[in-house]
This record gives sequence, C-alpha cells and structure tokens, in this order.
Amino acid sequence: QKEVEQNSGPLSVPEGAIASLNCTYSDRVSQSFFWYRQYSGKSPELIMSIYSNGDKEDGRFTAQLNKASQYVSLLIRDSQPSDSATYLCASDSNYQLIWGAGTKLIIKP
Amino acid sequence: SAVISQKPSRDICQRGTSLTIQCQVDSQVTMMFWYRQQPGQSLTLIATANQGSEATYESGFVIDKFPISRPNLTFSTLTVSNMSPEDSSIYLCSVEVLQGGNYGYTFGSGTRLTVV
Repeated sequence: QKEVEQNSGPLSVPEGAIASLNCTYSDRVSQSFFWYRQYSGKSPELIMSIYSNGDKEDGRFTAQLNKASQYVSLLIRDSQPSDSATYLCASDSNYQLIWGAGTKLIIKP
Repeated sequence: SAVISQKPSRDICQRGTSLTIQCQVDSQVTMMFWYRQQPGQSLTLIATANQGSEATYESGFVIDKFPISRPNLTFSTLTVSNMSPEDSSIYLCSVEVLQGGNYGYTFGSGTRLTVV
C-alpha cells in the first residue's frame, strides 16, 4: 500500500529558529512531491513542489528531496508565529496523490 | 493560478437527507478532485471528475453515495446522499494549477458538513 508518513508532532520551535519537517514515502515511482500548509479551519495552501533530487529554495522555505532514501523535507528559516500550522506532505504518481497525516508546527514567540 | 469558489461553506443537515456541494473554477481544467477531511486527519480522495466521462471513485466510495456531476470544464458538484452522522466532515474540491513555473494542486475553501 502506498503511504506517506509524517511525524504528527506537535513540533515546537522558537521564533527565529529553523523548523525542519520530514516526510517519507513508500511508492518508488512517485515523481512529484508537495508541501502544503493548513491553518486550522482553512483549506491546504501549496507552499512548494519538488521533482528532482536536491534542494529547492523559495524565500524562507527550502524543500529537499532524496529519492534513493524516499525522503522529503521542508526547512523553514527564521520561523515566525504565523508559520504555526499543520504541514502536509504529498507524493504524486500519475495524478494519484498520496497524503501524509500532517505535522503540527508551533512557533513559540 | 486557478481560483476555486466552493459553496456552501458549511451546513447542518438532518440524517437521511442529501447535500450538493458546488465548485466553480475561474479557468478551464481537465480534472477536478473531491476530497474529504475528517477533523484532525489528512485528506482522503473521494473521486476524480473529468468532463464528459464518469467520475473515478476511490476504494470505499461509491457513486450511489457520492454522485458527481461535471457538466463543463469549469464546474463540478458532489452530492452526499442519504447522510448519516459519519458523513460529518470537511469536503474539498481541488484542481491542478501552474504556480511559479511548477505544477501543484489548489483547493476550494471547503464545505464543513455536520449531520445530526
């Protein structure tokens, strides 16, 4: 069964520090990976997508993909209280999206 | 990037009744996806809706319970039929988008359904 696994948290990080969120996936044929942020009571918002091994940076966010280890991560630099949310990881294999359960991130002022 | 208007945003329904949720996209899209999200849980795909063909349902979801219409490339509806309290959930529609040169998926604002 295809799965995406995330630590449910909560992950507590001091304001200004780096938050590191991790995700592993089971389907080796997955080609695309996504990180979403979901505030309580809101729908998920796309933060980043990544397709190739290595790092991809967008502002304070860096996504990292290691296909050999089937591992995806998201780093948030200079964490802000507004980053407090649940972060969902998803893998996409031929339009079949597999979602992780999400990691709750809390940024402490 | 596509914008989805989803309605209703919330509803409280009696068991045994049906509710139809609508999603309108501001651009033409090939596939629309319908999800369910239980409180504190991740997303579960109900079905994929393509214009001009029958929706494709995921394991555990059937057309009689969740009929879907897709009359054109910008609109879809999901009906939750013969509701029971177990159907209480957030229902979301989603489409593929191109964002910052990369593709991803965007969501409607969700429909919070409570069945009493």
